[in-house]
Amino acid sequence: DAKTTQPTSMDCAEGRAANLPCNHSTISGNEYVYWYRQIHSQGPQYIIHGLKNNETNEMASLIITEDRKSSTLILPHATLRDTAVYYCTPNFGNEKLTFGTGTRLTIIP
Amino acid sequence: GAGVSQSPSNKVTEKGKDVELRCDPISGHTALYWYRQSLGQGLEFLIYFQGNSAPDKSGLPSDRFSAERTGGSVSTLTIQRTQQEDSAVYLCASSLVGPGNTIYFGEGSWLTVV
Repeated sequence: DAKTTQPTSMDCAEGRAANLPCNHSTISGNEYVYWYRQIHSQGPQYIIHGLKNNETNEMASLIITEDRKSSTLILPHATLRDTAVYYCTPNFGNEKLTFGTGTRLTIIP
Repeated sequence: GAGVSQSPSNKVTEKGKDVELRCDPISGHTALYWYRQSLGQGLEFLIYFQGNSAPDKSGLPSDRFSAERTGGSVSTLTIQRTQQEDSAVYLCASSLVGPGNTIYFGEGSWLTVV
């Protein structure tokens, strides 16, 4: 069984908010939701993570549903440099990460 | 250093040769991970070091692959008798130990076996 389900691909206009959904219905109570992105084949870049509450940092916002079975990553003002593959993954925070196939986000000029 | 440092960034080697890839984790991070990613493929876990505990080697694809972590800091991934299917980017990551910590990745070592 896949741990997460994400759309295969999404487009977003430059300057608009990009909203990337993720379903993680089998997440356990102590697992955090982590988001990473990967541009071409560079090393995955950490974006944000959360447990129950919504989180915001300089890169993005993370909205987690009350039942914790899904979350949405929000890039508030997408730029061309945000074009990448985005991965969500449940993790306790200090164990090996497992990435699914992710969402290929393309920012359209 | 500020981030996870890997060397070499690129390596081309002949089939059958041994290669060593180095990882310098973020200072103070006791957990260190190795992954690899073949072109167009997903992330594949190889090995995990955590403090003085025995490493989790469950992802190593064959006995040609081995890794060491000396002094709890720098790690070396060794691939013996390289094969063409070993061509991939090898990614190192590190983290603190404990719930909610973040795993940070290096930029990877691109290995091409010709």
